[in-house]
Amino acid sequence: DAGVIQSPRHEVTEMGQEVTLRCKPISGHDYLFWYRQTMMRGLELLIYFNNNVPIDDSGMPEDRFSAKMPNASFSTLKIQPSEPRDSAVYFCASSQNRGGYGYTFGSGTRLTVV
Amino acid sequence: GNSVTQMEGPVTLSEEAFLTINCTYTATGYPSLFWYVQYPGEGLQLLLKATKADDKGSNKGFEATYRKETTSFHLEKGSVQVSDSAVYFCALSVAGGSNYKLTFGKGTLLTVNP
Repeated sequence: DAGVIQSPRHEVTEMGQEVTLRCKPISGHDYLFWYRQTMMRGLELLIYFNNNVPIDDSGMPEDRFSAKMPNASFSTLKIQPSEPRDSAVYFCASSQNRGGYGYTFGSGTRLTVV
Repeated sequence: GNSVTQMEGPVTLSEEAFLTINCTYTATGYPSLFWYVQYPGEGLQLLLKATKADDKGSNKGFEATYRKETTSFHLEKGSVQVSDSAVYFCALSVAGGSNYKLTFGKGTLLTVNP
């Protein structure tokens, strides 16, 4: 298995532009998670899905952020419009629908908003 | 709720020194416990896990024992190497229900000098 695949690895965009981050989870994993990591706040859970349905989006910072999972093999995190304070590393992770297995993380997307 | 407290970093050691990173937790329900490692520029990787009391997780010379009586899961390694330099995250999950997700500690930066 190729693991959790995220794209792009790096994204540099100007303030006000729309940014879309992509994630392909491991096949057979029923849960998908989006995290944001910054020096100041550490690792923050933004939203997670179970069987493609958003379960908890309480970590999404504001309405500029949205996430979708149209099918079991693809998810997007969109920021519109982007702001410099959105600069961070965004991780996607997936897991099986059972306790005790932990998560498999992707390599992350480093977003820089200038 | 669920929470994880791990020792503040950074931790700086010389090669071949003994490592301990403390982790304690609070959980509603019976948690599974995890240690993740994040090498520079990469995503988090599962290092080891334990799913019930007195279980010992081990991998790459690292060990941690699930201590229910002290609600702890301390990470240890007898002889660290420069290549162990990374950020280490303690985490827990409680399976079942709508709150199935990993709760992470803030991370501990380990630097090993030659």
